[in-house]
Amino acid sequence: DTEVTQTPKHLVMGMTNKKSLKCEQHMGHRAMYWYKQKAKKPPELMFVYSYEKLSINESVPSRFSPECPNSSLLNLHLHALQPEDSALYLCASSQDPRGHTSYEQYFGPGTRLTVT
Amino acid sequence: AQSVAQPEDQVNVAEGNPLTVKCTYSVSGNPYLFWYVQYPNRGLQFLLKYITGDNLVKGSYGFEAEFNKSQTSFHLKKPSALVSDSALYFCAVNQAGTALIFGKGTTLSVSS
Repeated sequence: DTEVTQTPKHLVMGMTNKKSLKCEQHMGHRAMYWYKQKAKKPPELMFVYSYEKLSINESVPSRFSPECPNSSLLNLHLHALQPEDSALYLCASSQDPRGHTSYEQYFGPGTRLTVT
Repeated sequence: AQSVAQPEDQVNVAEGNPLTVKCTYSVSGNPYLFWYVQYPNRGLQFLLKYITGDNLVKGSYGFEAEFNKSQTSFHLKKPSALVSDSALYFCAVNQAGTALIFGKGTTLSVSS
């Protein structure tokens, strides 16, 4: 099973709302990632979790709060977002993240977020 | 600093013709190079990668890529294009950690 699942597929939220994006993988991967992607642009890395610990935060605003409850799950909590945060949010996972950079990442289908 | 460049925003090819999507990279050591494809409203799908060894790498859906160290290139190729190959293609490099560096992407359009 090489599938990464993400829920919901679409999300519309107001600037004062609190919502969460969810990601799940059952490939035994110990690195998980959140990316933000604008239309026809490459994905922009937001966060990396390595063995359930946050290892990279690419200077993401605090209105985005990641959480890794266990090795299979990754959440992204959203609060007080801005319209410019509207984008496709992608989750990905890969094998052993400790310096083994030859491993490919497996991406989920993404959550299309619209902030009104 | 490592980087990757995709010089073409769009590549147009007729169905049945060979296709090439170009990628060049810049790293200080030995690169790990990847190609991903993204269909409309979908996540990225891994196509192939170069780690070491044979310069010609074969991947999914009949795609292959040729690693050329002297030209620092990793072009994606397919002998006979299909309309269903139409998508957005990203080249990526990874050398010094877990962060992939993506190129800007190339839109491939295959006409019937």
